[in-house]
Amino acid sequence: SQELEQSPQSLIVQEGKNLTINCTSSKTLYGLYWYKQKYGEGLIFLMMLQKGGEEKSHEKITAKLDEKKQQSSLHITASQPSHAGIYLCGALGDSGYALNFGKGTSLLVTP
Amino acid sequence: DAGVIQSPRHEVTEMGQEVTLRCKPISGHNSLFWYRQTMMRGLELLIYFNNNVPIDDSGMPEDRFSAKMPNASFSTLKIQPSEPRDSAVYFCASSLGVGVNTEAFFGQGTRLTVV
Repeated sequence: SQELEQSPQSLIVQEGKNLTINCTSSKTLYGLYWYKQKYGEGLIFLMMLQKGGEEKSHEKITAKLDEKKQQSSLHITASQPSHAGIYLCGALGDSGYALNFGKGTSLLVTP
Repeated sequence: DAGVIQSPRHEVTEMGQEVTLRCKPISGHNSLFWYRQTMMRGLELLIYFNNNVPIDDSGMPEDRFSAKMPNASFSTLKIQPSEPRDSAVYFCASSLGVGVNTEAFFGQGTRLTVV
């Protein structure tokens, strides 16, 4: 089955700093989803990448999928306290209908 | 739309008791998923319904767990009897269809504590 490894597991950055979260798959990705989870709440969809080399941005968050479609990165520019939370990458499993998720990266942004 | 609605948000119960978690998917969505989130294992798919029919329940831990979807607007996940190791956050998600380019919308989750 497909496994998604996220790194780092946790991150503490000072407000205004840039940061990158990585997601690596054991298999070719046919759709890579990034979600954000605020502590104690549900998952909020951020972006979905499908094509090798694809890059998408939303406000100060940019996600990329590598050409081989086995690794994705999420980059946050000039981090703010509102960026704090758990970032999860997800991908369609072998079933083709449900997402498998990495264990998440916990982000804390300090003033 | 109010999004996916789950109830209760928090549940504390004693070991051996029956627990029922509820989910109202987004209107018009025909796919519904139940996930469980723990620190150790992350998010795990428990069961997937399509058009109210259970398609894949291979993630259901054991016979103590059961899920139903009597109509397009309601689903339940029941644990009977509950055990401390069932303590987790349970999420319901719905989507219009499945596959690539389909976004799954998640509820706020039910935090279950079994003591």
